[in-house]
Amino acid sequence: TQLLEQSPQFLSIQEGENLTVYCNSSSVFSSLQWYRQEPGEGPVLLVTVVTGGEVKKLKRLTFQFGDARKDSSLHITAAQPGDTGLYLCAGYTGANSKLTFGKGITLSVRP
Amino acid sequence: DAGVTQSPTHLIKTRGQQVTLRCSPKSGHDTVSWYQQALGQGPQFIFQYYEEEERQRGNFPDRFSGHQFPNYSSELNVNALLLGDSALYLCASSPGQAYNEQFFGPGTRLTVL
Repeated sequence: TQLLEQSPQFLSIQEGENLTVYCNSSSVFSSLQWYRQEPGEGPVLLVTVVTGGEVKKLKRLTFQFGDARKDSSLHITAAQPGDTGLYLCAGYTGANSKLTFGKGITLSVRP
Repeated sequence: DAGVTQSPTHLIKTRGQQVTLRCSPKSGHDTVSWYQQALGQGPQFIFQYYEEEERQRGNFPDRFSGHQFPNYSSELNVNALLLGDSALYLCASSPGQAYNEQFFGPGTRLTVL
């Protein structure tokens, strides 16, 4: 059983469209992170959310942490081909420092 | 600052062989974590090294072992390779042990034939 479920698994959209993807769990996370990974490279951290209900914006990307700290969403406004990649959510639970990842969401933005 | 570096980039081995992967952390970072990322999956935590000791371990068999050197660089060793060990092996470094931002290297692509 995957601790972090990401949906949808695959998403192909046209440039300029908006999209929202999700990261859900039955566990409470002390913090949750979103990464983007491109082929042949390691994941790059986009944002860390810590407080339930927290909303963070990074240019056209908006991240929200659920009130109960069990889920998160990522909204992209006016997607661009450069947004193409694998979006991973990951979180720390409890007192340990093991980072648990979801399977990721493969996003393709067509020009 | 070179960031996190890993070597080699690619590696091909046969079943039963042993492999050693290497990682140099980002300057100023003293904690190194290793992850296995199979095709189509998210990274899976293998273990974390801090002050030359293994501090956390994921659900990986004893065939997976590691080491951290005084200069904070690290090695991942895998013995008795299986076909299922084929994956991208990622190293991440961070300053301090817990909850800090981890910076990932580009990974080593291991193929077991």
